[in-house]
Amino acid sequence: KNQVEQSPQSLIILEGKNCTLQCNYTVSPFSNLRWYKQDTGRGPVSLTIMTFSENTKSNGRYTATLDADTKQSSLHITASQLSDSASYICVVRHSGTYKYIFGTGTRLKVLA
Amino acid sequence: NAGVMQNPRHLVRRRGQEARLRCSPMKGHSHVYWYRQLPEEGLKFMVYLQKENIIDESGMPKERFSAEFPKEGPSILRIQQVVRGDSAAYFCASSPGQGEAEAFFGQGTRLTVV
Repeated sequence: KNQVEQSPQSLIILEGKNCTLQCNYTVSPFSNLRWYKQDTGRGPVSLTIMTFSENTKSNGRYTATLDADTKQSSLHITASQLSDSASYICVVRHSGTYKYIFGTGTRLKVLA
Repeated sequence: NAGVMQNPRHLVRRRGQEARLRCSPMKGHSHVYWYRQLPEEGLKFMVYLQKENIIDESGMPKERFSAEFPKEGPSILRIQQVVRGDSAAYFCASSPGQGEAEAFFGQGTRLTVV
C-alpha cells in the first residue's frame, strides 16, 4: 500500500536550535518528493521538491535529503525561528500518475 | 498573477443545507485537486479534475459530494445535505499539468456545520 509516514508527530524546540524531521514512504514507483510548510489556518506552501536522482536540496535554512534506496527523506531546519512554528508535510508523488500522497505532518513549535 | 483563490474562506451551514465551495486556479493552470483536512489530521485527496473532466474521484464520498470544473469559471465542490462530520477545511490546489510542475494550494475554505 502506498503510504507516507512522518515522525515525530510533534516537536518543541527553542529558538535558534536545529531540528530534523523524518519521512518514510512506501510509494512505488516514485516520481518526486516534496516538503510543504503549513501555517495554522493557511494552505500548504512548497519548501523543496526532489526527484529520485537528487540527494539533497536546500532552500535557505531548510535542507531536505532523500535516500531513494531506503525510501527515506529528512527535512533539516537550521537556526530555528519563531516563524518556523507550523506543520511540515511530506508529500510523495506516484510515478506516472497524478496522485500525491500526503503524510500526516509534523507539528513544530519553536519557543522563545 | 494571483494565486489559487478559494471562496468563501469560512462557511457555516446548518445540517441538511447545501455547501458550495469555489476554487479559481492560477492563470494558465488547467488541473485542479481538492483535499479535505479534518482537525488535527493530514490532507486527504478527494478529487482530481481537468477542464470539463473528472479524472479521479476515488477520494470522494459516494453520496452527497460532487465536483465540477467547467470550461469557464471556477471549480466547484458541492456538498448536499451537510452533516456535522463534513466540518473540515477544504483545500484546492492547481497545476499546469500532470508532469513535475508545482502544485499550488489555496488558503482553504473552512466549513462548519451546526
